[in-house]
Amino acid sequence: DQQVKQNSPSLSVQEGRISILNCDYTNSMFDYFLWYKKYPAEGPTFLISISSIKDKNEDGRFTVFLNKSAKHLSLHIVPSQPGDSAVYFCAASETGANNLFFGTGTRLTVIP
Amino acid sequence: GAGVSQSPRYKVAKRGQDVALRCDPISGHVSLFWYQQALGQGPEFLTYFQNEAQLDKSGLPSDRFFAERPEGSVSTLKIQRTQQEDSAVYLCASSLEPRDTYNEQFFGPGTRLTVL
Repeated sequence: DQQVKQNSPSLSVQEGRISILNCDYTNSMFDYFLWYKKYPAEGPTFLISISSIKDKNEDGRFTVFLNKSAKHLSLHIVPSQPGDSAVYFCAASETGANNLFFGTGTRLTVIP
Repeated sequence: GAGVSQSPRYKVAKRGQDVALRCDPISGHVSLFWYQQALGQGPEFLTYFQNEAQLDKSGLPSDRFFAERPEGSVSTLKIQRTQQEDSAVYLCASSLEPRDTYNEQFFGPGTRLTVL
């Protein structure tokens, strides 16, 4: 049973435009959410996170929005750059848990 | 190097063979995690160590899977009598603090295991 879902396997965006990656979760106990970025042949790299006490967290070109009532979060990248092309994983955890629950990933392609 | 390293990067095994996958976490990191990532899927939790203690092995898919971290640093994931469904990328991650949800996990590049 997939507790974290990314329903879009791929996304293509023109350089300079906004990229919006979406993620849904089912477990209401999740209280911490993360986005990881993965290049081929490398491990996932932490990008940005948000606690459930917030609804927005911003770090440079990256902003994560959390809608707890809808159990939905999104990652906005603006402006998108070709170097952002990678697979993006949404992950979630609950306080005291040992592990992260990952979505299946969205492959972002930024077209120059 | 300062990051998490894993070896081998690629492993091909014949069905029924035993394999051992190694993880070198970031020095001083207390927590160590193993994940399995099947093709087209996200990483799935296998097991967790706090120093040398294996505190959670709820994600190990069968008793053919065994992990250890005897001195609280390097960890080995062993798979006995490999099956084709074991083919996946095995990721190791470490974090500085114990069981701290807000503590970033640093991932290694993974070991791609192919069982023929």
